[in-house]
Amino acid sequence: SQQGEEDPQALSIQEGENATMNCSYKTSINNLQWYRQNSGRGLVHLILIRSNEREKHSGRLRVTLDTSKKSSSLLITASRAADTASYFCATEDNYGQNFVFGPGTRLSVLP
Amino acid sequence: EPEVTQTPSHQVTQMGQEVILRCVPISNHLYFYWYRQILGQKVEFLVSFYNNEISEKSEIFDDQFSVERPDGSNFTLKIRSTKLEDSAMYFCASMGDGYTFGSGTRLTVV
Repeated sequence: SQQGEEDPQALSIQEGENATMNCSYKTSINNLQWYRQNSGRGLVHLILIRSNEREKHSGRLRVTLDTSKKSSSLLITASRAADTASYFCATEDNYGQNFVFGPGTRLSVLP
Repeated sequence: EPEVTQTPSHQVTQMGQEVILRCVPISNHLYFYWYRQILGQKVEFLVSFYNNEISEKSEIFDDQFSVERPDGSNFTLKIRSTKLEDSAMYFCASMGDGYTFGSGTRLTVV
């Protein structure tokens, strides 16, 4: 079974609101990455957070990592309709042997 | 729950050899993708495939690479004359209502 598990599976919010998506995993990791799924090229890399980091920002994105709880969250602030997409977390284990995607959260931002 | 299946899970090949990575997408999906992930780095898009042809490809996807859907179920990535730097995890994904990844093939070129 896949290690990264996102919740919620689907999220619907109004434009301007914040969206929070969570990811849980089971084993020790080297890093955790968040991706957005666009059509055409599919995945777009958003943020990589290493196991010794707790928080990272990129524009309107904020990612946190709690290794004691084996969980991460992706916060999108001031959401826009263009943020509508599926968001995936992926974990790389300590040995670099496994890189696993979760099933994703489908975000809908309503105008 | 439907899965995207990739085989083999791990392949070791000598530099200069050709490899074929295989994927069985979810049967009613129409869009197919290949990605690679070099150890410790982010996942990189290689190619997308729709209606039996390439719809988009990245600058990585040069003449060394080709994709095929030979029999309506398999979706293959061929790498000709492999180089050491081709060593990576290769992920297949398919998209229908949702977007599903395979578990990847780890390619090691020695």
